Amino acid sequence: AQSVTQLGSHVSVSEGALVLLRCNYSSSVPPYLFWYVQYPNQGLQLLLKYTTGATLVKGINGFEAEFKKSETSFHLTKPSAHMSDAAEYFCAVSFAGGYQKVTFGTGTKLQVIP
Amino acid sequence: DTAVSQTPKYLVTQMGNDKSIKCEQNLGHDTMYWYKQDSKKFLKIMFSYNNKELIINETVPNRFSPKSPDKAHLNLHINSLELGDSAVYFCASSQPGGRGYPAINYGYTFGSGTRLTVV
Repeated sequence: AQSVTQLGSHVSVSEGALVLLRCNYSSSVPPYLFWYVQYPNQGLQLLLKYTTGATLVKGINGFEAEFKKSETSFHLTKPSAHMSDAAEYFCAVSFAGGYQKVTFGTGTKLQVIP
Repeated sequence: DTAVSQTPKYLVTQMGNDKSIKCEQNLGHDTMYWYKQDSKKFLKIMFSYNNKELIINETVPNRFSPKSPDKAHLNLHINSLELGDSAVYFCASSQPGGRGYPAINYGYTFGSGTRLTVV
């Protein structure tokens, strides 16, 4: 069975500081990995995804994530936090083949302090 | 041009009532989903339809019944509402892939959610 674990339900950073949100996955087959962002009272929006190929993937709003198979991790980073980055972030995993569902982590709420 | 639209956005109702939530997507996707997000923000899949056919049916009380009249619409009907049904319900869709399967590698497009409050 596939699963993701997000370390830290709340993360606070100062504006301009590095953002690091942690995600570890468990999958018996090569995974597809995703990060989604949810702003208050809105649906989830895809930030970036890893399927195959380059392990460093870039997404929207200056975010990027690196797939590290040896560490079973897919951490999300941004060099410099902006106030508008304050939101809930979800890591998710799926894999290829058939009618596969996406399994979400429990989310990390990012607070950006001015 | 909303890609995945849900109605209503808010729904407050009494225990025991029956209610429906509607979802429509104009993306040409074949596969649609219902997810439930609880008060702790945990997202759990409930159902998935591919071109009007039920393909994922998680452990959900049979008071919840999805209906897909066509591949652009997926509605959720809930009978005998209970306090524990209070949550935000999200509709999502995904691109068609090969051989009729969804292209999961493209991710989902979500609606903005329906906040259901049962009192």
